[in-house]
Amino acid sequence: DAGVTQSPTHLIKTRGQQVTLRCSPISGHKSVSWYQQVLGQGPQFIFQYYEKEERGRGNFPDRFSARQFPNYSSELNVNALLLGDSALYLCASSLSYGGFYGYTFGSGTRLTVV
Amino acid sequence: SQQGEEDPQALSIQEGENATMNCSYKTSINNLQWYRQNSGRGLVHLILIRSNEREKHSGRLRVTLDTSKKSSSLLITASRAADTASYFCATDSTGGTSYGKLTFGQGTILTVHP
Repeated sequence: DAGVTQSPTHLIKTRGQQVTLRCSPISGHKSVSWYQQVLGQGPQFIFQYYEKEERGRGNFPDRFSARQFPNYSSELNVNALLLGDSALYLCASSLSYGGFYGYTFGSGTRLTVV
Repeated sequence: SQQGEEDPQALSIQEGENATMNCSYKTSINNLQWYRQNSGRGLVHLILIRSNEREKHSGRLRVTLDTSKKSSSLLITASRAADTASYFCATDSTGGTSYGKLTFGQGTILTVHP
């Protein structure tokens, strides 16, 4: 069984540009969450989607948006990139809405904004 | 914002020794989870302990949870060089909009010398 897959693995963008990151959850998992991890810190929650609806949003500006597709895959979009958006972006999938069964994380997308 | 604080921030031990990491948190939780991260890549789920459990074992891992003190500890016995990684605790909190998201601590960097 494939785990959580994220693409691309690495990305370099220029300030002001827009970026789209992609995530495919484990088969059968209906919940996808996004996290941002800045170097040297723990991951910070950005969004959770369950059954294609946004169920939670962290303390991030409106430049961050996401969506979940009918096959439960998800995209994270970041507009008007800032240098401070440079981070590892992690996607996690779970069987349920809450974390009752735990979460499985992908390997992440390393975004560098120059 | 980070919910948890982890202690110590860094831990250096010899192979075969035990490693203990501590985590404190601030709000009521559904469960607490421990994750490992190698070299800034994806998070690997180690163990989940529910709020009504006090201790849990998985292989060389032992986790305790004290909800009255809002703290948890992770013990890795007979450590190996391959255990070298960053370890994070994450809480899955009850109620409101925080349900279903993980709040991570800053992590403990464990180095196991051969």
